[in-house]
Amino acid sequence: DSGVTQTPKHLITATGQRVTLRCSPRSGDLSVYWYQQSLDQGLQFLIQYYNGEERAKGNILERFSAQQFPDLHSELNLSSLELGDSALYFCATEGSTGELFFGEGSRLTVL
Amino acid sequence: AQKITQTQPGMFVQEKEAVTLDCTYDTSDQSYGLFWYKQPSSGEMIFLIYQGSYDEQNATEGRYSLNFQKARKSANLVISASQLGDSAMYFCAMREGDYGQNFVFGPGTRLSVLP
Repeated sequence: DSGVTQTPKHLITATGQRVTLRCSPRSGDLSVYWYQQSLDQGLQFLIQYYNGEERAKGNILERFSAQQFPDLHSELNLSSLELGDSALYFCATEGSTGELFFGEGSRLTVL
Repeated sequence: AQKITQTQPGMFVQEKEAVTLDCTYDTSDQSYGLFWYKQPSSGEMIFLIYQGSYDEQNATEGRYSLNFQKARKSANLVISASQLGDSAMYFCAMREGDYGQNFVFGPGTRLSVLP
């Protein structure tokens, strides 16, 4: 158990809809990273927050947005969903030697 | 150019045997970290082992060891005494700095342990 909590674990929705994925980091961790894992794309970095501020942005679509709240939990908002957005979405926090500890992931299926 | 290369899409190993999963990386930084993760069929990403670029000794964690050859830019994972539960995807990753986009993953190797 990494100590990083993600909800929901599974989500099925329709094209055009909007969903919110939630991540609670380990106690004391200030960074939150979001990754997308599609079958044909591997692990793709989306965005990183540090202590409430956006720190780095990767291949995140404009339809996606994220934020980190004062209590350090983070939410990833996915809107105008397309079939290709079906993926496993991970959040992760950072350990003492720079390793990432991942949550169990949120599996999104867009029908 | 690919930062992390894992040339073995799939590997088979007999239970109780050792197996080496290959990873090569590309960086011009002097300071970086190398990591291996395991992803079982259930989907979670499990951190296995870390090697810093300045570490002179190869990292070991239980049955996992990292064969670090800096000049060749390789960071192979060695799993000793394979178990059926080791069947999973294995990802090599590298961090070059503090920012998220500098933590990159390879495409992965699927390891199957045969009874």
